[in-house]
Amino acid sequence: EAQVTQNPRYLITVTGKKLTVTCSQNMNHEYMSWYRQDPGLGLRQIYYSMNVEVTDKGDVPEGYKVSRKEKRNFPLILESPSPNQTSLYFCASSLSGVDPRSNQPQHFGDGTRLSIL
Amino acid sequence: AQTVTQSQPEMSVQEAETVTLSCTYDTSESDYYLFWYKQPPSRQMILVIRQEAYKQQNATENRFSVNFQKAAKSFSLKISDSQLGDAAMYFCAYRREYGNKLVFGAGTILRVKS
Repeated sequence: EAQVTQNPRYLITVTGKKLTVTCSQNMNHEYMSWYRQDPGLGLRQIYYSMNVEVTDKGDVPEGYKVSRKEKRNFPLILESPSPNQTSLYFCASSLSGVDPRSNQPQHFGDGTRLSIL
Repeated sequence: AQTVTQSQPEMSVQEAETVTLSCTYDTSESDYYLFWYKQPPSRQMILVIRQEAYKQQNATENRFSVNFQKAAKSFSLKISDSQLGDAAMYFCAYRREYGNKLVFGAGTILRVKS
């Protein structure tokens, strides 16, 4: 089954304690992305990756890091989490990051609810 | 930068009736894609319908249809014969022709009354 898998689904942690949210896709997608969802703001892009070892900032990258060492994995790293990073996080992937006319829909993971106290 | 506006934070509809969710967007580009996503309480992001800007015909998927007004930069979603399972948050989203990034609106919570 084609899917994007995020772990964990829920996490409560404390300020300053490094954490990683994993994301893995089994569709051989080139493009992967992280979004955060906040009330009244919708989903906003944090970071994205066009392919292995190619990553770039989205609209709200401050406080986050990512890596893309393998095609299937795209972890989101919070080196020193703060309460303003409490949010619902989504990983997404799609088939082609370079085909300019691709209209392939993005596949979303089931979300990770992060609470930082 | 492109922006997407959903002006209705919440909407209610009676079961079996029709409801329309509004979405407007701002872009200087002529070709792009527009989407409606449904997010039920399970938090999944489910693609409901998609519209290519270069197509004049409005997209339809079963009970879901859109009213795409390119000149007005408007992209509303009509849900006919509403069902209890339609209750969810609905997001309107924009994607440039050359790119993968989705720009989302703030969302509209749809409540369905039995």
